Amino acid sequence: DGGITQSPKYLFRKEGQNVTLSCEQNLNHDAMYWYRQDPGQGLRLIYYSQIVNDFQKGDIAEGYSVSREKKESFPLTVTSAQKNPTAFYLCASRGASQETQYFGPGTRLLVL
Amino acid sequence: DAKTTQPTSMDCAEGRAANLPCNHSTISGNEYVYWYRQIHSQGPQYIIHGLKNNETNEMASLIITEDRKSSTLILPHATLRDTAVYYCIVRAGNNRKLIWGLGTSLAVNP
Repeated sequence: DGGITQSPKYLFRKEGQNVTLSCEQNLNHDAMYWYRQDPGQGLRLIYYSQIVNDFQKGDIAEGYSVSREKKESFPLTVTSAQKNPTAFYLCASRGASQETQYFGPGTRLLVL
Repeated sequence: DAKTTQPTSMDCAEGRAANLPCNHSTISGNEYVYWYRQIHSQGPQYIIHGLKNNETNEMASLIITEDRKSSTLILPHATLRDTAVYYCIVRAGNNRKLIWGLGTSLAVNP
């Protein structure tokens, strides 16, 4: 099946710990995105990457880091510097000649 | 970057058409209007997008006014599975950033 996968579905983190969220796509898409969603809110852009080995900060990048070593993978690390990390995290990808972003199922992060 | 305004919530009877409005009065000439929906605790699902002309696909129709300052998403025969939050979004800039608002919570009632 082609698509975008995110793992795990639920993730628990202790305060002060870094945690990495996985996003993989087999759609051969060049661009990938990470969004954060808080309850009752729209999505906010954390980071995006338009090509391998390149990425840019979105609107709320502080406390997060990413890498794009492979076209199909765009992991997001939530660092201890992120003061309010509890949220629903969504990954998306888009083909080079397409206008549409396609989303994964999301990872819900809860800080204990 | 253009912003959108949508009603907070709407109701629709099952089997009837659901018409979801969106205002985007500051939209630029080269910005597309996108519609996504999100069922609770799932990733957003793409529905349709357009620039100037009306568009139709297997899911919905998109009607864009001639001045492009507003649009309407039409679900022709709403079902219970169409209950979701519907987001009207404009695409900004060359990086294809999507600017998300709060959306409209559509409840389809039996």
